Amino acid sequence: GAVVSQHPSWVICKSGTSVKIECRSLDFQATTMFWYRQFPKQSLMLMATSNEGSKATYEQGVEKDKFLINHASLTLSTLTVTSAHPEDSSFYICSARDRTEGSGYTFGSGTRLTVV
Amino acid sequence: KNQVEQSPQSLIILEGKNCTLQCNYTVSPFSNLRWYKQDTGRGPVSLTIMTFSENTKSNGRYTATLDADTKQSSLHITASQLSDSASYICVVTIRRGSYIPTFGRGTSLIVHP
Repeated sequence: GAVVSQHPSWVICKSGTSVKIECRSLDFQATTMFWYRQFPKQSLMLMATSNEGSKATYEQGVEKDKFLINHASLTLSTLTVTSAHPEDSSFYICSARDRTEGSGYTFGSGTRLTVV
Repeated sequence: KNQVEQSPQSLIILEGKNCTLQCNYTVSPFSNLRWYKQDTGRGPVSLTIMTFSENTKSNGRYTATLDADTKQSSLHITASQLSDSASYICVVTIRRGSYIPTFGRGTSLIVHP
């Protein structure tokens, strides 16, 4: 089945630095990639939707200059957390829908970001 | 009000028992409904996916049902195991030009020995 590879699985960084998270669709072309954030014991919160070759659409309250999303190819999307702060510490997950109609969404394994 | 409501919010059962999780939705136009299992610190993993015409879909000890008329779905877990302890998330996808997923808040299931 469809697989989305997400890296890194965890990362610790200092405040003020930037962190890049990658999501790759391994055996299908992901025209749309979704990025979520999940705080402990809470549901997934959609941050942004990216379509290959175009600008991402951000949900209300998500700073597009802080969370940079690039979807330059049909198999790779990246989320860069710029100038990270401790409050950005969270679990970030991507999901992709392949081009088969009605196929649903495949999730990456998630990235645990800790900003110290 | 969330457009995809899941109940109960949390559930504790003994190993070997059965349980049923509920998902009611109001979003439309319906494309498909999917149940995911999310272990702590991991990404969600798909259990079942159902389209409008499907009423029941099984995956091992997991059986999902869908009533598109009443916009209700359930996930039944048979003979629960300790490894079933996780969050179970209902996702309803609608189609308005593109496919748009709407997530339920999930049901946290704990299976005790």
